[in-house]
Amino acid sequence: AQSVAQPEDQVNVAEGNPLTVKCTYSVSGNPYLFWYVQYPNRGLQFLLKYITGDNLVKGSYGFEAEFNKSQTSFHLKKPSALVSDSALYFCAVRETGANNLFFGTGTRLTVIP
Amino acid sequence: DTAVSQTPKYLVTQMGNDKSIKCEQNLGHDTMYWYKQDSKKFLKIMFSYNNKELIINETVPNRFSPKSPDKAHLNLHINSLELGDSAVYFCASSLRQYNEKLFFGSGTQLSVL
Repeated sequence: AQSVAQPEDQVNVAEGNPLTVKCTYSVSGNPYLFWYVQYPNRGLQFLLKYITGDNLVKGSYGFEAEFNKSQTSFHLKKPSALVSDSALYFCAVRETGANNLFFGTGTRLTVIP
Repeated sequence: DTAVSQTPKYLVTQMGNDKSIKCEQNLGHDTMYWYKQDSKKFLKIMFSYNNKELIINETVPNRFSPKSPDKAHLNLHINSLELGDSAVYFCASSLRQYNEKLFFGSGTQLSVL
């Protein structure tokens, strides 16, 4: 069975500092991993995905994520946080053969001016 | 033009009533979804249709009935509403099945009193 964990409900970071939002996963076989962002009163927006290939994946708005197979992690990163990055971030996973994405519980990122 | 639009945005109703939420996508996608987001922001798949055919039907009470008149529309009808149905319901679409770049609507906030 597939599952994904986001260990931090809330992450606070100062504007201009690097940010990391953590995600670990559990699947049978190879994982397909994703990050989505949800701004207030909006639906989720796709940020990036890892299917295969380079472990470092670049996505929208300057975000990137690193796939680490040995640690079963897919942490979201950005070198310099903006106040406008403040939102709810969801990690998601799909295992081979499954029909749907399984979302984590979300991490609220607050970037402090 | 809004890619995935759902109506109404807010729905306040009494227990026991029947209500519907409509969803339309103008992206030409084959696959559509309904997700439920609870008060803790946990996001869970309810249904998925591919070319008007049901492909995912998670453990959802049979009071919930999706209907897809064509591949651009996926409506959700809920009978005999209960307090626990209060949540935000998101419609989403993807180009095809197993394509994880989902496009979400802005959500319908359902409050059952």
